[in-house]
Amino acid sequence: SAVISQKPSRDICQRGTSLTIQCQVDSQVTMMFWYRQQPGQSLTLIATANQGSEATYESGFVIDKFPISRPNLTFSTLTVSNMSPEDSSIYLCSVARGTYEQYFGPGTRLTVT
Amino acid sequence: DQQVKQNSPSLSVQEGRISILNCDYTNSMFDYFLWYKKYPAEGPTFLISISSIKDKNEDGRFTVFLNKSAKHLSLHIVPSQPGDSAVYFCAATDGGATNKLIFGTGTLLAVQP
Repeated sequence: SAVISQKPSRDICQRGTSLTIQCQVDSQVTMMFWYRQQPGQSLTLIATANQGSEATYESGFVIDKFPISRPNLTFSTLTVSNMSPEDSSIYLCSVARGTYEQYFGPGTRLTVT
Repeated sequence: DQQVKQNSPSLSVQEGRISILNCDYTNSMFDYFLWYKKYPAEGPTFLISISSIKDKNEDGRFTVFLNKSAKHLSLHIVPSQPGDSAVYFCAATDGGATNKLIFGTGTLLAVQP
């Protein structure tokens, strides 16, 4: 498995502002992922972040709204830009381990007012 | 289009009895399946997985069954314990280079003492 931490654990932000979420892993990993879980919904993949290359975004997510950095093999950030109440969600990072297993951080609970 | 479905949003079971959580999928390219457990305010925790070349995988109290012809998998927990009370997500992947997981909507399991 892996030990994954996220900062902040929760935040309340105003509409129109941006928030950067950090994800730190205790060992080097090639693939990191960012997910969103909207209230009462499933986990939806936002993007895959590989070190040394541009993040790959899923349909419905764009880099201008969710810029991602991956400066090294243990760290990544996700920024939620120009926030609206619809961005209120839990944001989770994960890392790939084993065959196809992913291990998740504790999540960042974001509320946009 | 919801490729992975968990049709039961909730399930209540008595302590010591069997819990059966179900999951259906539509994409015949999926060849690896996983179950995660999620407590409130925590990230999902990997439980057990199964490859499409198998029809059963067991790990302690947890057993996953796969019926490829029916595109159905289930998680059995025996015996159920109050600490098993959580939201359970099934996930699937087609095993591509992206390691992308598609999650179901989750089932809330309540194990009554």
